[in-house]
Amino acid sequence: QSVLTQPPSVSAAPGQKVTISCSGSSSNIGNNYVSWYQQLPGTAPKLLIYDNNKRPSGIPDRFSGSKSGTSATLGITGLQTGDEADYYCGTWDSSLSAGGVFGGGTKLTVL
Amino acid sequence: QVQLQESGPGLVKPSETLSLTCAVSGYSISSGYYWGWIRQPPGKGLEWIGSIYHSGSTYYNPSLKSRVTISVDTSKNQFSLKLSSVTAADTAVYYCARAVVFDYWGQGTLVTVSS
Repeated sequence: QSVLTQPPSVSAAPGQKVTISCSGSSSNIGNNYVSWYQQLPGTAPKLLIYDNNKRPSGIPDRFSGSKSGTSATLGITGLQTGDEADYYCGTWDSSLSAGGVFGGGTKLTVL
Repeated sequence: QVQLQESGPGLVKPSETLSLTCAVSGYSISSGYYWGWIRQPPGKGLEWIGSIYHSGSTYYNPSLKSRVTISVDTSKNQFSLKLSSVTAADTAVYYCARAVVFDYWGQGTLVTVSS
């Protein structure tokens, strides 16, 4: 059971938009920055979004992030077949059991 | 360009200690940042193991804390993971990455715990 909750799967057609949610609590998302990672099959995760809504160099603006309260959302517009991957949210948890935490991951299928 | 490369045995016997090293190139660990280990059991999600600063200060996953040691060798520009008393549940792909935001990752190394 992951500390952060993500939907197991989402799907959409090429060219469409999809959002992936990440729900946490005041000890993690509520008081810390959120990052998002893309993991293509058989590869290491790749940073997509950091500090809630910032994109590293080279990440297209089709990818966006937002945060409200204890939830965060990853948005992907203009879906491409190459976007089929697992997506993970991550943040720091400042509770007594402090440490890095990830969501369980969301499998994106581009139909 | 920052690059990380994990190395270590791909097979460890139950009850023994798993040892991995992450060699960093393109950036001096002494310059800053935390450096972390993350693992992913086959077919499952990511689990943060722990992170270390170049000064040696560490944070560990509370569920693994009693078995984990992460150390840093700035002279070799690398950091290491030791996980003791392993069981089959520790079988996973182990990644090293630059933290706190994991912006650079190694390719990962599969470690299987089996007799």
